[in-house]
Amino acid sequence: QAQLVQSGSEVKKPGASVRVSCKASGYRFTSYGISWVRQAPGQGLEWMGWISAHNGNTNYAQKFQGRVTMTTDTSTSTAYMDLRSLRADDTAVYYCARDSIDSDGNWFDPWGQGTLVSVSS
Amino acid sequence: IQMTQSPSSLSASVGDRVTITCRASQSISSDLYWYQQKPGKAPKLLIYTASSLQSGVPSRFSGSGSGTDFTLTISSLQREDFATYYCQQSYSTPPTFGQGTRLEIK
Repeated sequence: QAQLVQSGSEVKKPGASVRVSCKASGYRFTSYGISWVRQAPGQGLEWMGWISAHNGNTNYAQKFQGRVTMTTDTSTSTAYMDLRSLRADDTAVYYCARDSIDSDGNWFDPWGQGTLVSVSS
Repeated sequence: IQMTQSPSSLSASVGDRVTITCRASQSISSDLYWYQQKPGKAPKLLIYTASSLQSGVPSRFSGSGSGTDFTLTISSLQREDFATYYCQQSYSTPPTFGQGTRLEIK
């Protein structure tokens, strides 16, 4: 069965960068995409962007353009999300989720377990 | 596309029939998904394309609707169903979620 396992919690200072990893197993990694979705404490779900594990094409939410980079390593079936210039309001749980191989028609199953990123001075 | 769920919270008892509504700000055909999230856990897909039950999801869950109005129904609430439920549209990018419906035990 498909499974995504994410890296552990991070504590960062404002202005720093963070990298979250997401290792896939149980399915052909390059036949799907990966989306990243975040959830601030006590809040709802916010889509950040998508990457094709087939060819590396990306589609970022406008809100994160210029501050986020999504990549994949097909040799290890791992996706990465880098977020720069962190602010306090970036404190959230970050999820990866398996998505469509195409940039549209996004839906998410399964999800990783989540990675808490805390940003505080 | 803005997704609006109602109610935002709901109290119900084990065995109750519960319906949650999701409304899109424009027509999204049947490109609507429902997720369940329990505290401290990742969301889990329940329903895809408005009315199809994801493998392994109990049959007491069902979805309906098309266009702008959708519903998630739980026919007989079980204790493990108390959670937050989100709808999500995939009709256009960016995909957007409803604000969530918190289902609590009465």
